[in-house]
Amino acid sequence: DAKTTQPPSMDCAEGRAANLPCNHSTISGNEYVYWYRQIHSQGPQYIIHGLKNNETNEMASLIITEDRKSSTLILPHATLRDTAVYYCIVRVLIFDQGGKLIFGQGTELSVKP
Amino acid sequence: EPEVTQTPSHQVTQMGQEVILRCVPISNHLYFYWYRQILGQKVEFLVSFYNNEISEKSEIFDDQFSVERPDGSNFTLKIRSTKLEDSAMYFCASLRPGVRTEAFFGQGTRLTVV
Repeated sequence: DAKTTQPPSMDCAEGRAANLPCNHSTISGNEYVYWYRQIHSQGPQYIIHGLKNNETNEMASLIITEDRKSSTLILPHATLRDTAVYYCIVRVLIFDQGGKLIFGQGTELSVKP
Repeated sequence: EPEVTQTPSHQVTQMGQEVILRCVPISNHLYFYWYRQILGQKVEFLVSFYNNEISEKSEIFDDQFSVERPDGSNFTLKIRSTKLEDSAMYFCASLRPGVRTEAFFGQGTRLTVV
């Protein structure tokens, strides 16, 4: 699986958009970009994933550059409850073969009042 | 919303004792995982399990560890003779087959070895 690089920490004001970048310059064509977050020591929580098109769900938006070498997770209106460590993970998705997630250090996002 | 359930939430054990951590994955999921997180460190992959056998394991998953799916619903992690360095949060995860799927994690078991 390709390596990812994320800033170790970021701050965001409550109510503003949080934009979390991730570099994955060695990503290959069959690798998906996944985002998870971990609040305190709870279990990691799935946020969103995508291959090459931008994706949006009720939690966030994922913007993947055209060359797929980087992506940005956008939390449109950050709240204090979004304070967490955010992990960008690149993973090969082989149909019916599961695969594993490899977590890096992630970005510690602090949402401030 | 379906969820992965882990028990107990906190386990304290003496060094050298055996522990079994339990997980109930989401019912239509076929891939199962254990991860651990030592305090202040990153989440580390231990093992994946599919079709009643280990499909992949990390260097951490040595002979002291074993996994089992004894009854079609529970998924367990056994540590035969615990060491102080086994103290960590242990997370179970499950995944359904398919292309656009995501793994769901339980809330973890905090294992403290004294």
